[in-house]
Amino acid sequence: GAVVSQHPSWVICKSGTSVKIECRSLDFQATTMFWYRQFPKQSLMLMATSNEGSKATYEQGVEKDKFLINHASLTLSTLTVTSAHPEDSSFYICSARGGTGLYGYTFGSGTRLTVV
Amino acid sequence: GENVEQHPSTLSVQEGDSAVIKCTYSDSASNYFPWYKQELGKRPQLIIDIRSNVGEKKDQRIAVTLNKTAKHFSLHITETQPEDSAVYFCAASKIAGNQFYFGTGTSLTVIP
Repeated sequence: GAVVSQHPSWVICKSGTSVKIECRSLDFQATTMFWYRQFPKQSLMLMATSNEGSKATYEQGVEKDKFLINHASLTLSTLTVTSAHPEDSSFYICSARGGTGLYGYTFGSGTRLTVV
Repeated sequence: GENVEQHPSTLSVQEGDSAVIKCTYSDSASNYFPWYKQELGKRPQLIIDIRSNVGEKKDQRIAVTLNKTAKHFSLHITETQPEDSAVYFCAASKIAGNQFYFGTGTSLTVIP
């Protein structure tokens, strides 16, 4: 079945530094990928939609200059958290269309970001 | 935009009993409704989905019902087992639009 690989799975960084998270579709091409953020015991909040070869579409309230998204190929999308602060600590997870279900969306394994 | 509400936020049932989780959505154009199961620190896993042209769908112990008029849909788990314990999320989407909007989640605990 479809697999979405996400790296790193866990990262700790210092406040003020930037962190890049990669999301790869391993056995299918994903023209569109989605980035979500999930705080403990809360739901997945859509941050942005990443389209291959074009600019990402950000949800209201999400700072595009802080959360840089690049989707340079059909199999790779990256999310860079710039100048990270402790309040950016969260679980970040990507998804791409492809996989089980009628219109299968496969999730990456998620990245636990802790900013200290 | 779409607004998805989910209830209850927590649910405890005895092993073997049934569990029901309900969601409502606001955008009448939404036409695809998946349900995901998420274990702690792991990715959500699709467990069942339904399109708006279907009122009910069943897969073994799991079923989903949809009421388009009322804009609500429900997940039913029968004969619950301890391994069903997890957080369950509903979602709504316009298939053409691709984006999923998730409910707030239900933490299900099945007591042995």
